[in-house]
Amino acid sequence: EIVMTQSPATLSVSPGERATLSCRASQSVNSNLGWYQQKPGQAPRLLIYGASTRATGIPARFSGSGSGTEFTLTISSLQSEDFAVYYCQQYDNWPPLTFGGGTKVEIK
Amino acid sequence: EVQLVESGGGLVQPGGSLRVSCAASGFSFSSYWMHWVRQAPGKGLVWVSRISPDGRDTRYADSVKGRFTISRDNAKNTLYLQMDSLRDEDTAVYFCARVKTDSTGRFYVGYDYWGQGTLVTVSS
Repeated sequence: EIVMTQSPATLSVSPGERATLSCRASQSVNSNLGWYQQKPGQAPRLLIYGASTRATGIPARFSGSGSGTEFTLTISSLQSEDFAVYYCQQYDNWPPLTFGGGTKVEIK
Repeated sequence: EVQLVESGGGLVQPGGSLRVSCAASGFSFSSYWMHWVRQAPGKGLVWVSRISPDGRDTRYADSVKGRFTISRDNAKNTLYLQMDSLRDEDTAVYFCARVKTDSTGRFYVGYDYWGQGTLVTVSS
């Protein structure tokens, strides 16, 4: 099973600032990596797939990069609606599909 | 509009059974792979199971294998998860999710639609 590790667990950022979230895989997942956003009481929402492709309707301030074992989600200028928990997920070698533990982006 | 609506959650004793459902609308349900994903209170997302469009191909996480059964009724546009021999650690919100595939239509790239989830609580 591929283990996904996200860091930091919590990221405190001021509105308008840049946020950089990291995700590491225990072995290469090539570019088979997605990012999800989840707000309290809601289902997750797909942001990025293929490590860098924005899903339908996702604003350009969200960008993904990386391949192999190291990945980054960048939010270029945080808006109030972006404060949430973010999860990465690998789909290179499954089942099982595996998610990271999440990074909570909170208001500084 | 694509909608996925789960139901059937509730309180069940350890060792008991429960079936949760996911009613789909707004798309051709019989053409899509479907999954179940769960989230324990205050915890992260965990993949549970998947099923092919025709229902013949199913897979499970090791933690639920032999206890849970995924199925679907394409005539009713409904996905199911039968949960038997429930344990305390199965307590979670259970989400159904529709699979998004790549441009070839063959490979999983993520979940493009999710239900709102249904809470299953296993406790005596």
